[in-house]
Amino acid sequence: TQLLEQSPQFLSIQEGENLTVYCNSSSVFSSLQWYRQEPGEGPVLLVTVVTGGEVKKLKRLTFQFGDARKDSSLHITAAQPGDTGLYLCAVVLLYNTDKLIFGTGTRLQVFP
Amino acid sequence: GAGVSQTPSNKVTEKGKYVELRCDPISGHTALYWYRQSLGQGPEFLIYFQGTGAADDSGLPNDRFFAVRPEGSVSTLKIQRTERGDSAVYLCASSLTAGPHTEAFFGQGTRLTVV
Repeated sequence: TQLLEQSPQFLSIQEGENLTVYCNSSSVFSSLQWYRQEPGEGPVLLVTVVTGGEVKKLKRLTFQFGDARKDSSLHITAAQPGDTGLYLCAVVLLYNTDKLIFGTGTRLQVFP
Repeated sequence: GAGVSQTPSNKVTEKGKYVELRCDPISGHTALYWYRQSLGQGPEFLIYFQGTGAADDSGLPNDRFFAVRPEGSVSTLKIQRTERGDSAVYLCASSLTAGPHTEAFFGQGTRLTVV
């Protein structure tokens, strides 16, 4: 059983479309991070959300932390081919040993 | 460069052989993580160091896997008696400290292929 389940697993869309990907858990977290990974590279941090209900925007990307701090979503407006990559949510398990755990990932392909 | 460096970038080895994967973190970063990643999947946690000590090694799949960080900087992941199922990309990351708001910086990974 995965601590962080992401959906959908794969998403293939045309340039200009909007999309939302989800990160869900049954556990409560003090914060949650989103990373993007391009082929042949390591993940790169996009954002950290901390407060329940918090919304953060990064250009065409909108991140929301659920009110109960168990889930998060990433919405991309007018997707571009440069958005192609693997989107990963991640949390630090504070009640454990501060290890950083990743979700199952959503692979996004944006076609021109 | 100032980023996390992993060597080699690619490693092909025969089943049963021993391999070492090296990670050179960002200078001054106390936390260092090792992950294993299969194609299209999220990174799977292996082990996490805080300084020289392994704070959490609960992700190591079995006793063929071992990692060290003797001086609190460079780390080596060691795999004995490699199996074909060990084939994956091994990612290393470092962060300034541990904790929920800390950004982890990743290397480009070592692609291990066991034939």
